Amino acid sequence: EIVLTQSPDTLSLSPGDRATLSCKASQNVGSTYFAWYQQKPGQAPRLLIYGVSTRASGVPDRFSGSGSGTDFTLTISRLEREDFAVYYCQQYAVSPLAFGGGSKVEIK
Amino acid sequence: EVQLVESGGDLVQPGRSLRLSCRTSGFTFDDYAMHWVRQAPRKGLEWISSVSWNTGSIAYADSVRGRFHISRDNARNSLYLQMRDLRPEDTAFYYCTRSIWFGTSFFDAWGQGTLVTVSS
Repeated sequence: EIVLTQSPDTLSLSPGDRATLSCKASQNVGSTYFAWYQQKPGQAPRLLIYGVSTRASGVPDRFSGSGSGTDFTLTISRLEREDFAVYYCQQYAVSPLAFGGGSKVEIK
Repeated sequence: EVQLVESGGDLVQPGRSLRLSCRTSGFTFDDYAMHWVRQAPRKGLEWISSVSWNTGSIAYADSVRGRFHISRDNARNSLYLQMRDLRPEDTAFYYCTRSIWFGTSFFDAWGQGTLVTVSS
């Protein structure tokens, strides 16, 4: 079973800042089957990125994903107020599907 | 518009059973595998079960295998989760989600969730 560890737990930033979120897998998950989700309070998760770096429909281009093997990154180039939320990574290379514990991006 | 609407969440005592439903619209239901993902209050996401488009393939997380049963009715565009022998650690929001593939896939649409609370 693959375990995903996200860091940092919380990132305190200001609008306009760059956010870099990390997700480390306990085993190699390759370079394809990785996704990122955004969740705001009281809402369901929303798919942001799949296939490591492909933005889902309607996702702004300030969101980008990268990585391979065991290290994956979600970058938000310039934070907008609506981007302050919790972000989860997910691997879907190996069963069982697994999510990371989440990283919260909060307003500084 | 793609919609997934869960229902059936409730407060139940440990050891009891509960059935969740997910009614969908806005897409061709039997083109998709369907899944349940849960989230304990203030905690992370946990995949718990998947069913292929024709129910030919089904998978469960170890935490629920043998107690939960996933099913779908393509004629009604609906997904179900029968839960039995509920435990306090099953307390969570339960989300219905979809994916193009069964097994190795991401989830591109989610319902708003239904809350299951297991407590005496």
